[in-house]
Amino acid sequence: EVVMTQSPGTLSVSPGERATLSCRASQSVGTNLGWYQQKPGQAPRLLIYGASTRATGIPARFSGSGSETEFTLTISSLQSEDFAVYYCQKYDNWPQDPMYTFGQGTRLESK
Amino acid sequence: EVHLLESGGGLVQPGGSLRLSCAASGFTYTNYAMTWVRQAPGKGPEWVSAISGSGDATYYVDSAKGRFTISRDNSKNTLYLQMNSLRPEDTAVYYCARESSSARTFDYWGQGTLVTVSS
Repeated sequence: EVVMTQSPGTLSVSPGERATLSCRASQSVGTNLGWYQQKPGQAPRLLIYGASTRATGIPARFSGSGSETEFTLTISSLQSEDFAVYYCQKYDNWPQDPMYTFGQGTRLESK
Repeated sequence: EVHLLESGGGLVQPGGSLRLSCAASGFTYTNYAMTWVRQAPGKGPEWVSAISGSGDATYYVDSAKGRFTISRDNSKNTLYLQMNSLRPEDTAVYYCARESSSARTFDYWGQGTLVTVSS
């Protein structure tokens, strides 16, 4: 079973600054990696898939990078609406049976 | 506009059963695999179960195998999760989500329904 580990647990960054969030897989997942944003009381929102492709409607300030076991989500200039919890998620390509695993999350808070 | 609306959550005693539903609209339902994801209070999301667009293939996390059954009625654009032998650790908000056609990520989610297993 692949374990996804996110760091740090909490990240404090000032509005307008850059935020860098990390996600590590216990074994290679290629680029089968997604990132989600979740605000209190809301469902997660897909930001990135394929490690680096922005989902529909996601602003260009969000970018993803990495492959195999090390991944990064970067938010280039933090807006007030970006303070939330972020999760990475590993997935398997078709036609393999799906096994989806989420990380434990990084809370991004305003400094 | 894609819309997913869950229902059926509530308080149930350990060992009890519950059936969740998710009504979908705004897209060609049969073209998409669907999934259930849960989130315990203060925890990260956990994938529970998935079903192919036709309904002929189903998948479960190990903790759900033998207790939960996912199904879909494509004539009603509705997804279901039958949960039996419920345990306190099943307590969570349960979300239905659509699996993207681009990658096995979840591009649309419902608002969730809370399941509480307690005596």
